[in-house]
Amino acid sequence: EAGVAQSPRYKIIEKRQSVAFWCNPISGHATLYWYQQILGQGPKLLIQFQNNGVVDDSQLPKDRFSAERLKGVDSTLKIQPAKLEDSAVYLCASSLVTGGQETQYFGPGTRLLVL
Amino acid sequence: GIQVEQSPPDLILQEGANSTLRCNFSDSVNNLQWFHQNPWGQLINLFYIPSGTKQNGRLSATTVATERYSLLYISSSQTTDSGVYFCAVNSGGYNKLIFGAGTRLAVHP
Repeated sequence: EAGVAQSPRYKIIEKRQSVAFWCNPISGHATLYWYQQILGQGPKLLIQFQNNGVVDDSQLPKDRFSAERLKGVDSTLKIQPAKLEDSAVYLCASSLVTGGQETQYFGPGTRLLVL
Repeated sequence: GIQVEQSPPDLILQEGANSTLRCNFSDSVNNLQWFHQNPWGQLINLFYIPSGTKQNGRLSATTVATERYSLLYISSSQTTDSGVYFCAVNSGGYNKLIFGAGTRLAVHP
């Protein structure tokens, strides 16, 4: 079974530029998550989708971050304009409920450096 | 919101040693997962364990929900066990995981 795919793996941009990340979840997983992981910290949830609807975006900086999940499958996360403090790893995860147990599976992440 | 504290923050072991990692949480949970983040950044599920005990090879985990803590045991550690171990919990209606700061483990040959 293929895992969660993310691209690009690395991105370097200058502040005030825009950037977009792409995620393809595990086939059949209804729930998709975007996390931000700053160096030395645990991942922090940015947004959660159930199919193509937003469940939780309370920690998404909506003035500069946006996300969508087209047709309930792939998702894109965009930052416009980027700030220095956006330098982090952006992780995508998907999950499936089996026997009352919901386990999240993570992609390899996109490492963003804002100069 | 719920707080998650992990200890120790850093751990250095000689290959073959055993270790115990701890996760304390401030409220009742309906989901608790342990993850290993390898040196390349990939997060791997180890256990889904909101309560009880589970074992998988050299790893085992115990969660005592009534006392709000979970333990991850690593026996006969290997260099490939190096990385960061995260505990993540959820206490709400949706599976929004709150991660601890992690335990950074280095296993030397």
